[in-house]
Amino acid sequence: DVKVTQSSRYLVKRTGEKVFLECVQDMDHENMFWYRQDPGLGLRLIYFSYDVKMKEKGDIPEGYSVSREKKERFSLILESASTNQTSMYLCASSPDGRNTEAFFGQGTRLTVV
Amino acid sequence: AQSVAQPEDQVNVAEGNPLTVKCTYSVSGNPYLFWYVQYPNRGLQFLLKYITGDNLVKGSYGFEAEFNKSQTSFHLKKPSALVSDSALYFCAVKAFSGGYNKLIFGAGTRLAVHP
Repeated sequence: DVKVTQSSRYLVKRTGEKVFLECVQDMDHENMFWYRQDPGLGLRLIYFSYDVKMKEKGDIPEGYSVSREKKERFSLILESASTNQTSMYLCASSPDGRNTEAFFGQGTRLTVV
Repeated sequence: AQSVAQPEDQVNVAEGNPLTVKCTYSVSGNPYLFWYVQYPNRGLQFLLKYITGDNLVKGSYGFEAEFNKSQTSFHLKKPSALVSDSALYFCAVKAFSGGYNKLIFGAGTRLAVHP
């Protein structure tokens, strides 16, 4: 079974803190993604990566950065957390190809106070 | 613009009755369509996908989906609903945009199955 593991289920951080969300996949997938999920808005793509050290902006990259130093690990960084970044964050991975499904981690519910 | 619409925020159905969760899409070229389910405080689980071929696709947990090209729809169905099917359901399309294949999600539909 494909496994995508996010380092934390729940996280509470203070405004202005630098926050790291970690994601690891064990299936040697080329592609990794970070989404943000908010009620009524579905999933919105923050950043994605198609290869090690490669990153591309998604639809809502402002206030975020990412790092992919190894194929299995994709980190999302909130440079200076703000209350409007309180959300559920979902990491996903997939093999190459348009017909491939993505596999998701269990999610990290981040609260910024 | 490439997009997915799930017109219903919530669907209510009695246990044992058939259920339908609606999805329409807008994408250039051939659509690659997916359904995912999310249980409370969990990530998304893949249910089924349409790539090509038979318009009726069968997936996990007894779910199926019908692809209709003329109506640009990909509705999720199940002949007999279970209380345990209560969850949040997302339709998605994989679209080629900006040089990459990306999954574009609908807003989600909450399914409530009542005993």
